[in-house]
Amino acid sequence: DAKTTQPPSMDCAEGRAANLPCNHSTISGNEYVYWYRQIHSQGPQYIIHGLKNNETNEMASLIITEDRKSSTLILPHATLRDTAVYYCIVRVAIGGGADGLTFGKGTHLIIQP
Amino acid sequence: DTGVSQDPRHKITKRGQNVTFRCDPISEHNRLYWYRQTLGQGPEFLTYFQNEAQLEKSRLLSDRFSAERPKGSFSTLEIQRTEQGDSAMYLCASSLGRGTDTQYFGPGTRLTVL
Repeated sequence: DAKTTQPPSMDCAEGRAANLPCNHSTISGNEYVYWYRQIHSQGPQYIIHGLKNNETNEMASLIITEDRKSSTLILPHATLRDTAVYYCIVRVAIGGGADGLTFGKGTHLIIQP
Repeated sequence: DTGVSQDPRHKITKRGQNVTFRCDPISEHNRLYWYRQTLGQGPEFLTYFQNEAQLEKSRLLSDRFSAERPKGSFSTLEIQRTEQGDSAMYLCASSLGRGTDTQYFGPGTRLTVL
């Protein structure tokens, strides 16, 4: 799976949009971009994933650049409960390669009151 | 709640003892994964099952580690002769095994080896 690069930490004010960047410049055409988050001492929580098109669900939006070399996770109205480590992962769809997820160190997002 | 469950949530043991953890996946999920996470690091993949078959093992899974999924439902991870370096969070995840195959994680088992 391709490697991702994320800033180690970010701050965001409560109520504002949190924009978390991820660089995946070596991504392959059949690799998806996944985002998970992990609140302290809990298991990772799935947020969203996408291949080419932008995606939105009840938790967040995922914006993928046209060349697919980077993406941004957007939490539209951050709350204190969004404070967590956010992981950006690229992964081949089922049957295309290794099936374990490769986590980096992620971005520690701190929401400030 | 129909999410992934793990038991126990916390385990403290003395060096040299054996420990066993259990994972119950989401109903109808064919794939089950084990990960290990040490302090300050992201989770690291250990192994996974497609139904009852163990299909992949990481080099992190030493001979002291063994995992089973006897009937393709719940899974157990056993660590024999525990060492202090085994202290970590052990995470289980499950997925449907088709489509984009999103993995959903359980709350983890925190192991402390004294």
